[in-house]
Amino acid sequence: GQNIDQPTEMTATEGAIVQINCTYQTSGFNGLFWYQQHAGEAPTFLSYNVLDGLEEKGRFSSFLSRSKGYSYLLLKELQMKDSASYLCAVDNYGQNFVFGPGTRLSVLP
Amino acid sequence: DAMVIQNPRYQVTQFGKPVTLSCSQTLNHNVMYWYQQKSSQAPKLLFHYYDKDFNNEADTPDNFQSRRPNTSFCFLDIRSPGLGDAAMYLCATSRGSGAPDTQYFGPGTRLTVL
Repeated sequence: GQNIDQPTEMTATEGAIVQINCTYQTSGFNGLFWYQQHAGEAPTFLSYNVLDGLEEKGRFSSFLSRSKGYSYLLLKELQMKDSASYLCAVDNYGQNFVFGPGTRLSVLP
Repeated sequence: DAMVIQNPRYQVTQFGKPVTLSCSQTLNHNVMYWYQQKSSQAPKLLFHYYDKDFNNEADTPDNFQSRRPNTSFCFLDIRSPGLGDAAMYLCATSRGSGAPDTQYFGPGTRLTVL
């Protein structure tokens, strides 16, 4: 079966660092993607990993361990506009994306 | 700018009255997807087209149909909307090259069923 887990909600303070974890069990793996979704809007692409290790893109970094079925998204220097849901998704081959339930992040002043 | 466009952004229909949502793309991508997303839930894949090849998810209700008349356009038809079909409907595209590739989402159509 396909299963992706993420914490439901997280809270952090402006300027801080937050790590959002994602664990997955899927029948195939062709990459893991992170999306940001503000309330009422479409998901927007943040980062992806295919190989183990850390990918850095400005304030956002994503890490992958394929052997552990684990990824995290690291957000640095948090800003109020980072308050959103963060979705972890696995490309399961065959144009089949499996999305996690999303983590709702609240950034407080 | 190249993009994924969805019309309308907001759609209100009556219980049982057929409704069609549309999506177009200027990215020339091979794959187009339709997702249903309910409040505070992950997007749920309904079906996707790889070019003209239609792929239906096993648990997509028969009430939902789709058409892709050409590369640029894709339609979602809901034959008899029920109250439980009220949701955000997201269209997305990807290159479909086989290599890991992100999906590009349209702004979504929020469907209300009265």
